[in-house]
Amino acid sequence: QQPVQSPQAVILREGEDAVINCSSSKALYSVHWYRQKHGEAPVFLMILLKGGEQKGHEKISASFNEKKQQSSLYLTASQLSYSGTYFCGTEGGSNYKLTFGKGTLLTVNP
Amino acid sequence: DGGITQSPKYLFRKEGQNVTLSCEQNLNHDAMYWYRQDPGQGLRLIYYSQIVNDFQKGDIAEGYSVSREKKESFPLTVTSAQKNPTAFYLCASSMGWGNQPQHFGDGTRLSIL
Repeated sequence: QQPVQSPQAVILREGEDAVINCSSSKALYSVHWYRQKHGEAPVFLMILLKGGEQKGHEKISASFNEKKQQSSLYLTASQLSYSGTYFCGTEGGSNYKLTFGKGTLLTVNP
Repeated sequence: DGGITQSPKYLFRKEGQNVTLSCEQNLNHDAMYWYRQDPGQGLRLIYYSQIVNDFQKGDIAEGYSVSREKKESFPLTVTSAQKNPTAFYLCASSMGWGNQPQHFGDGTRLSIL
Protein backbone atom coordinates (compact mmCIF):
# COMPACT_ATOMS: atom_id res chain seq x y z
CA GLN A 1 0.00 0.00 0.00
CA GLN A 2 1.26 3.45 -0.93
CA PRO A 3 2.73 5.48 1.97
CA VAL A 4 1.19 8.88 2.67
CA GLN A 5 3.42 11.94 2.51
CA SER A 6 2.67 15.26 4.13
CA PRO A 7 2.56 18.06 3.38
CA GLN A 8 1.84 17.78 -0.35
CA ALA A 9 3.67 21.04 -0.97
CA VAL A 10 5.68 23.56 1.03
CA ILE A 11 7.20 26.93 0.17
CA LEU A 12 10.18 28.23 2.09
CA ARG A 13 12.48 31.21 2.06
CA GLU A 14 16.17 30.44 1.86
CA GLY A 15 17.50 29.59 5.31
CA GLU A 16 14.22 28.28 6.72
CA ASP A 17 13.67 24.73 7.97
CA ALA A 18 11.16 22.12 6.80
CA VAL A 19 9.91 18.68 7.82
CA ILE A 20 8.42 16.15 5.41
CA ASN A 21 6.59 13.16 6.82
CA CYS A 22 6.00 9.69 5.41
CA SER A 23 3.49 7.34 7.04
CA SER A 24 2.54 3.77 6.29
CA SER A 25 -0.41 1.65 7.36
CA LYS A 26 1.75 -1.47 7.59
CA ALA A 27 4.95 -2.46 9.35
CA LEU A 28 8.10 -1.09 7.73
CA TYR A 29 11.54 -2.61 7.39
CA SER A 30 13.19 0.34 5.69
CA VAL A 31 12.50 3.78 4.26
CA HIS A 32 14.29 5.37 1.31
CA TRP A 33 14.30 9.10 0.51
CA TYR A 34 14.84 10.57 -2.97
CA ARG A 35 14.72 14.07 -4.46
CA GLN A 36 13.63 14.79 -8.02
CA LYS A 37 14.04 18.11 -9.79
CA HIS A 38 11.57 18.91 -12.55
CA GLY A 39 12.20 16.81 -15.67
CA GLU A 40 15.17 15.04 -14.12
CA ALA A 41 15.89 11.65 -12.59
CA PRO A 42 15.24 11.07 -8.88
CA VAL A 43 18.43 11.20 -6.82
CA PHE A 44 19.01 8.98 -3.80
CA LEU A 45 19.35 10.81 -0.45
CA MET A 46 19.40 8.13 2.24
CA ILE A 47 18.09 4.80 3.51
CA LEU A 48 16.86 4.23 7.06
CA LEU A 49 16.69 0.70 8.32
CA LYS A 50 14.53 -0.83 11.02
CA GLY A 51 15.93 0.21 14.39
CA GLY A 52 14.89 3.84 14.65
CA GLU A 53 18.18 5.29 13.47
CA GLN A 54 18.68 8.81 12.26
CA LYS A 55 20.87 9.57 9.28
CA GLY A 56 22.27 12.74 7.82
CA HIS A 57 23.26 14.06 4.41
CA GLU A 58 24.69 17.62 4.41
CA LYS A 59 21.98 19.63 6.17
CA ILE A 60 19.33 17.01 5.43
CA SER A 61 18.63 14.34 8.01
CA ALA A 62 15.90 11.81 8.63
CA SER A 63 14.45 9.64 11.34
CA PHE A 64 12.56 6.36 11.26
CA ASN A 65 10.08 5.37 13.94
CA GLU A 66 9.14 1.77 13.23
CA LYS A 67 6.54 1.62 16.03
CA LYS A 68 4.65 4.53 14.50
CA GLN A 69 5.41 3.22 11.00
CA GLN A 70 6.64 6.59 9.87
CA SER A 71 9.70 8.49 8.79
CA SER A 72 10.46 12.20 8.75
CA LEU A 73 12.90 14.12 6.58
CA TYR A 74 14.41 17.28 8.11
CA LEU A 75 15.80 20.04 5.91
CA THR A 76 17.79 22.59 7.91
CA ALA A 77 18.74 26.08 6.73
CA SER A 78 17.32 25.35 3.29
CA GLN A 79 19.20 26.34 0.16
CA LEU A 80 17.84 27.15 -3.29
CA SER A 81 19.26 23.84 -4.50
CA TYR A 82 16.93 21.96 -2.15
CA SER A 83 13.94 22.76 -4.37
CA GLY A 84 12.32 19.71 -5.93
CA THR A 85 9.91 16.90 -5.19
CA TYR A 86 10.82 14.60 -2.32
CA PHE A 87 9.67 10.98 -2.39
CA CYS A 88 9.77 8.39 0.31
CA GLY A 89 9.88 4.74 -0.64
CA THR A 90 8.91 2.15 1.91
CA GLU A 91 9.73 -1.54 2.13
CA GLY A 92 7.43 -3.54 4.33
CA GLY A 93 7.86 -7.16 3.41
CA SER A 94 10.45 -9.82 2.73
CA ASN A 95 10.69 -9.14 -1.00
CA TYR A 96 12.37 -5.71 -0.63
CA LYS A 97 10.07 -4.08 -3.18
CA LEU A 98 9.81 -0.33 -2.70
CA THR A 99 6.47 1.45 -2.72
CA PHE A 100 6.76 5.20 -3.25
CA GLY A 101 4.59 7.97 -1.87
CA LYS A 102 3.08 10.64 -4.12
CA GLY A 103 5.78 13.14 -3.25
CA THR A 104 6.14 16.50 -1.52
CA LEU A 105 6.93 19.53 -3.68
CA LEU A 106 9.42 21.79 -1.91
CA THR A 107 10.06 25.26 -3.27
CA VAL A 108 12.82 27.41 -1.79
CA ASN A 109 12.69 31.07 -2.72
CA PRO A 110 15.44 33.69 -2.27
CA ASP B 1 31.57 7.71 -16.30
CA GLY B 2 29.15 5.12 -14.90
CA GLY B 3 25.43 5.55 -15.14
CA ILE B 4 22.10 4.56 -16.61
CA THR B 5 21.16 5.54 -20.16
CA GLN B 6 17.57 5.61 -21.28
CA SER B 7 16.54 6.16 -24.87
CA PRO B 8 14.79 7.76 -26.55
CA LYS B 9 14.08 10.83 -24.42
CA TYR B 10 10.71 11.33 -26.14
CA LEU B 11 8.60 8.68 -27.86
CA PHE B 12 5.27 8.74 -29.64
CA ARG B 13 3.00 5.75 -30.05
CA LYS B 14 0.28 5.19 -32.59
CA GLU B 15 -2.88 3.17 -31.91
CA GLY B 16 -2.23 -0.57 -31.89
CA GLN B 17 1.51 -0.15 -31.91
CA ASN B 18 4.06 -1.73 -29.58
CA VAL B 19 7.01 0.43 -28.61
CA THR B 20 10.22 -0.46 -26.80
CA LEU B 21 12.06 1.75 -24.33
CA SER B 22 15.75 1.13 -23.92
CA CYS B 23 17.63 1.04 -20.59
CA GLU B 24 21.36 0.35 -20.37
CA GLN B 25 23.60 0.55 -17.29
CA ASN B 26 27.36 0.31 -16.94
CA LEU B 27 27.38 0.27 -13.14
CA ASN B 28 27.69 -3.54 -13.00
CA HIS B 29 24.46 -3.62 -10.98
CA ASP B 30 22.55 -6.89 -10.58
CA ALA B 31 19.06 -5.46 -10.01
CA MET B 32 17.10 -3.31 -12.45
CA TYR B 33 13.65 -1.74 -12.30
CA TRP B 34 11.06 0.01 -14.44
CA TYR B 35 8.77 2.66 -12.95
CA ARG B 36 5.94 4.67 -14.38
CA GLN B 37 5.43 8.25 -13.18
CA ASP B 38 2.17 10.13 -13.71
CA PRO B 39 1.60 13.70 -12.47
CA GLY B 40 0.88 13.70 -8.76
CA GLN B 41 1.12 9.90 -8.47
CA GLY B 42 4.68 9.19 -7.47
CA LEU B 43 6.57 6.24 -8.94
CA ARG B 44 4.79 2.94 -9.55
CA LEU B 45 6.72 -0.27 -10.15
CA ILE B 46 6.08 -2.01 -13.48
CA TYR B 47 8.67 -4.80 -13.54
CA TYR B 48 11.87 -5.62 -11.73
CA SER B 49 14.77 -7.99 -12.24
CA GLN B 50 17.02 -9.21 -9.46
CA ILE B 51 19.45 -10.97 -11.75
CA VAL B 52 20.01 -11.64 -15.43
CA ASN B 53 17.50 -13.99 -17.11
CA ASP B 54 14.99 -13.42 -14.30
CA PHE B 55 12.27 -10.80 -13.78
CA GLN B 56 9.03 -10.33 -11.82
CA LYS B 57 5.88 -8.30 -12.24
CA GLY B 58 5.53 -5.18 -10.18
CA ASP B 59 2.32 -3.43 -9.16
CA ILE B 60 1.16 -2.33 -12.64
CA ALA B 61 2.57 -4.89 -15.11
CA GLU B 62 -0.52 -5.30 -17.30
CA GLY B 63 0.16 -4.12 -20.86
CA TYR B 64 3.94 -4.20 -20.44
CA SER B 65 6.67 -6.77 -21.06
CA VAL B 66 10.40 -6.92 -20.34
CA SER B 67 13.47 -9.05 -20.99
CA ARG B 68 16.78 -9.38 -19.17
CA GLU B 69 19.12 -11.26 -21.46
CA LYS B 70 22.17 -9.22 -20.49
CA LYS B 71 23.18 -7.83 -17.12
CA GLU B 72 23.50 -4.30 -18.46
CA SER B 73 20.24 -4.15 -20.42
CA PHE B 74 16.57 -4.17 -19.35
CA PRO B 75 14.28 -3.03 -22.20
CA LEU B 76 10.60 -2.34 -21.60
CA THR B 77 7.95 -2.93 -24.27
CA VAL B 78 4.70 -1.02 -24.01
CA THR B 79 2.18 -3.15 -25.85
CA SER B 80 -1.07 -2.17 -27.52
CA ALA B 81 -2.84 -3.76 -24.55
CA GLN B 82 -1.75 -0.79 -22.40
CA LYS B 83 -4.65 1.56 -23.06
CA ASN B 84 -3.25 4.57 -21.22
CA PRO B 85 0.49 4.57 -21.92
CA THR B 86 1.08 8.33 -21.75
CA ALA B 87 3.52 8.80 -18.86
CA PHE B 88 7.10 9.38 -17.84
CA TYR B 89 9.02 6.09 -17.63
CA LEU B 90 12.03 5.72 -15.37
CA CYS B 91 14.55 2.91 -15.32
CA ALA B 92 16.66 2.28 -12.22
CA SER B 93 19.31 -0.12 -11.02
CA SER B 94 20.86 -1.13 -7.72
CA MET B 95 23.96 -3.05 -6.75
CA GLY B 96 22.01 -5.82 -5.13
CA TRP B 97 18.53 -6.71 -4.00
CA GLY B 98 17.24 -5.34 -0.74
CA ASN B 99 17.96 -2.05 1.03
CA GLN B 100 20.20 -0.77 -1.74
CA PRO B 101 20.14 2.77 -3.16
CA GLN B 102 18.52 2.91 -6.58
CA HIS B 103 20.18 4.90 -9.36
CA PHE B 104 17.83 6.32 -11.97
CA GLY B 105 18.12 7.14 -15.65
CA ASP B 106 16.87 10.44 -17.09
CA GLY B 107 13.60 8.90 -18.24
CA THR B 108 11.57 8.51 -21.42
CA ARG B 109 8.41 10.53 -21.98
CA LEU B 110 5.86 8.50 -23.95
CA SER B 111 2.88 10.12 -25.63
CA ILE B 112 0.02 8.94 -27.82
CA LEU B 113 -0.24 10.29 -31.37
